[in-house]
Amino acid sequence: KAGVTQTPRYLIKTRGQQVTLSCSPISGHRSVSWYQQTPGQGLQFLFEYFSETQRNKGNFPGRFSGRQFSNSRSEMNVSTLELGDSALYLCASSLDGTEFDTIYFGEGSWLTVV
Amino acid sequence: DQQVKQNSPSLSVQEGRISILNCDYTNSMFDYFLWYKKYPAEGPTFLISISSIKDKNEDGRFTVFLNKSAKHLSLHIVPSQPGDSAVYFCAASEDTGNQFYFGTGTSLTVIP
Repeated sequence: KAGVTQTPRYLIKTRGQQVTLSCSPISGHRSVSWYQQTPGQGLQFLFEYFSETQRNKGNFPGRFSGRQFSNSRSEMNVSTLELGDSALYLCASSLDGTEFDTIYFGEGSWLTVV
Repeated sequence: DQQVKQNSPSLSVQEGRISILNCDYTNSMFDYFLWYKKYPAEGPTFLISISSIKDKNEDGRFTVFLNKSAKHLSLHIVPSQPGDSAVYFCAASEDTGNQFYFGTGTSLTVIP
């Protein structure tokens, strides 16, 4: 079956701009979560969506937001980009995000802020 | 503050020998742990998991050990193969869905 698909794979933005990243989960998966990966901080949890509702949120500023559509596809948005937002953004999906549910990652979107 | 720590950024092992990757955590509420493997330019792929009711879980060449009192888990790969060369992340969660806390990763190089 098709895996988790993230678009775009690579993008360059200017400081102060905003960006929207898209994630299509594995068919049948209703939970989508987003992570930021940077060399110094590793993988950090951004937020999780389940059935179009944000269920969990990590410690990121309000510039980071997301949403989930009825078909479980999710988008995340970062407004007023800062240089430190340059990172790999990973989307992960699972069936329903229960405790012992395995999450599957996409290949990520590489964001460079200049 | 990093709740999950992998204190060894890199590890080199000879092919055929054992690789041991370590992970420490600070939150005693964590009860589910995962190991992920990541190749360059790819997303992490699930490797093996363990819940807090167990102290060991084995899957082929991969074994994860959990020491709850020490808040420590380790991944053993025996025998190590060159294809195992990748970055390994450990992750932990409470019973709150998909909010996993990841370590910063250990880059494993298996030397032929």
